[in-house]
Amino acid sequence: EIVMTQSPATLSVSPGERATLSCRASQSVRSNLAWYQQKPGQAPRLLIFGASTRATGIPARFSGSGSGTEFTLTISSLQSEDFAVYYCQQYNDWPPLTFGGGTKVEIK
Amino acid sequence: EVQLVESGGGLAQPGGSLRLSCAGSEFTFSSYEMTWVRQALGKGLEWVSYISAGGRTIHYADSVKGRFTISRDNAKNSLYLQMNRLRVEDTAVYYCAVSPYSGGWYDYWGQGTLVTVSS
Repeated sequence: EIVMTQSPATLSVSPGERATLSCRASQSVRSNLAWYQQKPGQAPRLLIFGASTRATGIPARFSGSGSGTEFTLTISSLQSEDFAVYYCQQYNDWPPLTFGGGTKVEIK
Repeated sequence: EVQLVESGGGLAQPGGSLRLSCAGSEFTFSSYEMTWVRQALGKGLEWVSYISAGGRTIHYADSVKGRFTISRDNAKNSLYLQMNRLRVEDTAVYYCAVSPYSGGWYDYWGQGTLVTVSS
């Protein structure tokens, strides 16, 4: 099973600042990585697939990068609606599909 | 707009059973792979089960294998999760999700249904 590790667990950022979230895989997942955003009481929302392709309707301030075992989600200028928990998910080698433990982006 | 609506959650005793349903609309249900993902309160996402568009390929997480059964009825645009021999640790919100591109990522998710296993 591929283990996904996200860091940091919590990221405190001021509105308008840049946020950088990390996701590491226990073995290579090539570019088969997705990012999701989840707000309290809501379902996850797909942001990125293929490590760097934005899903439909996702603002350009969200960008993904990386391949192999190291991945980054960058939010270039945090808006109030971006404060949420973010999860990475690998789909290179499954079952099982595996998610990281999440990074909570909170207001500084 | 794609819609997924889960139902069937509730309170069950340890060892009991529940059947979750997920009704899909505004997309060609029979063409898309689907999955169940769960989330314990305050915890992260855990994949539970997958079913291919035609229902021939099915996978389960080890934690539910032998206890849960995924199925679908494409004529009714519905996905199901039969949950037997429930454990306290199965307590979670259960989401169904659909993958229009068969890529392994999931574009659309339902709002979730809460399953509580407690005596």
